[in-house]
Amino acid sequence: GAGVSQSPRYKVAKRGQDVALRCDPISGHVSLFWYQQALGQGPEFLTYFQNEAQLDKSGLPSDRFFAERPEGSVSTLKIQRTQQEDSAVYLCASSSSNRGRTAYGYTFGSGTRLTVV
Amino acid sequence: AQSVAQPEDQVNVAEGNPLTVKCTYSVSGNPYLFWYVQYPNRGLQFLLKYITGDNLVKGSYGFEAEFNKSQTSFHLKKPSALVSDSALYFCAVRDRAGANNLFFGTGTRLTVIP
Repeated sequence: GAGVSQSPRYKVAKRGQDVALRCDPISGHVSLFWYQQALGQGPEFLTYFQNEAQLDKSGLPSDRFFAERPEGSVSTLKIQRTQQEDSAVYLCASSSSNRGRTAYGYTFGSGTRLTVV
Repeated sequence: AQSVAQPEDQVNVAEGNPLTVKCTYSVSGNPYLFWYVQYPNRGLQFLLKYITGDNLVKGSYGFEAEFNKSQTSFHLKKPSALVSDSALYFCAVRDRAGANNLFFGTGTRLTVIP
């Protein structure tokens, strides 16, 4: 597609509920990143994929957070047993580099705003 | 470790005046530096980046930024501000030899006053 697409745009979850957030990167983009942006803060790195391989998950805040990209295109970020502190905007970005290290621009999606009540 | 500091939470400037949004960074090696803009309920939009070469980088919408290695700064500038420039601006850094992800500052809200 023309850009990075994320769905849903908004998600309200009851505490304890599981949620799944979807990211459709730009077609052919090898690298995919997930970020968490809390209110009034800058985005914070969660995890990175190169094709289907999850090369870095050092930013995932707990084992309740899980991400996958099984076919190297669409990615899903799953949060189990959501807590109020999980409320944030979750941003996905993709990049065209075909190597592990990229100097090229990262294209961001519009994000999913998760509110846990 | 990598980090970015945006010392001003808020910058106000009159329309037509020059604007500066400050950014300093810390990386162990050489940096890649980026500026992004975020409008309400929108994702991050790329403005410009410094990779190598000329220290003055020109980007979208008339913005530019100057890489200053000795001061570890990458301030965003525009000669004449527009009301439509009002938004949230983020500086980000990546260590060339480090991780692939970007480290972001906390953002600066720019308000251009008509």
